[in-house]
Amino acid sequence: AQSVTQLGSHVSVSEGALVLLRCNYSSSVPPYLFWYVQYPNQGLQLLLKYTTGATLVKGINGFEAEFKKSETSFHLTKPSAHMSDAAEYFCAVSDPDYKLSFGAGTTVTVRA
Amino acid sequence: EADIYQTPRYLVIGTGKKITLECSQTMGHDKMYWYQQDPGMELHLIHYSYGVNSTEKGDLSSESTVSRIRTEHFPLTLESARPSHTSQYLCASSPRTGLRSGANVLTFGAGSRLTVL
Repeated sequence: AQSVTQLGSHVSVSEGALVLLRCNYSSSVPPYLFWYVQYPNQGLQLLLKYTTGATLVKGINGFEAEFKKSETSFHLTKPSAHMSDAAEYFCAVSDPDYKLSFGAGTTVTVRA
Repeated sequence: EADIYQTPRYLVIGTGKKITLECSQTMGHDKMYWYQQDPGMELHLIHYSYGVNSTEKGDLSSESTVSRIRTEHFPLTLESARPSHTSQYLCASSPRTGLRSGANVLTFGAGSRLTVL
């Protein structure tokens, strides 16, 4: 069965600082991995996805994530945080039937 | 504009009432899903459908039911609401064809927040 663990339910960063959100997965098959973002009172939006090929994946809003099979990780980073990055971020893994299993989410706050 | 719509966005209702949460999408997606979201918890898949007249239960047991009579419409019903049903319900959809075309890239609605008193 597929599952995702997000380390840290809350992350606080200063504006301009590095954002690092950690995600580890468990999968019985080669994983397809996703990061979604949820702004207040909105649904989830896709930030980026990894299916096959290049292990460093670039997404929207300056975010990127690196798939590391040996570490079963798919951490999300952004070099310089902006106030608009304040949101909740969810890591997800796809099962062989393409249904997604989500982590518990990490809430990011950005300090001015 | 192609999108996915959920109504109502917020609902406060008394115990024992029947409620239906509506979900409609204009993207022609074959697959539709209902997730339950509680603070600090994983999103849990409670129902999904791969097409008209196809519905399946998800990983989390739910007392709700769903129907898929039309491709664009996937309503969720609770026959008798209880306080334990208080949660946010997220509807999502994705296209049918293979992964390379984005089969499991989900598009989410804005959610329906249900409070049962």
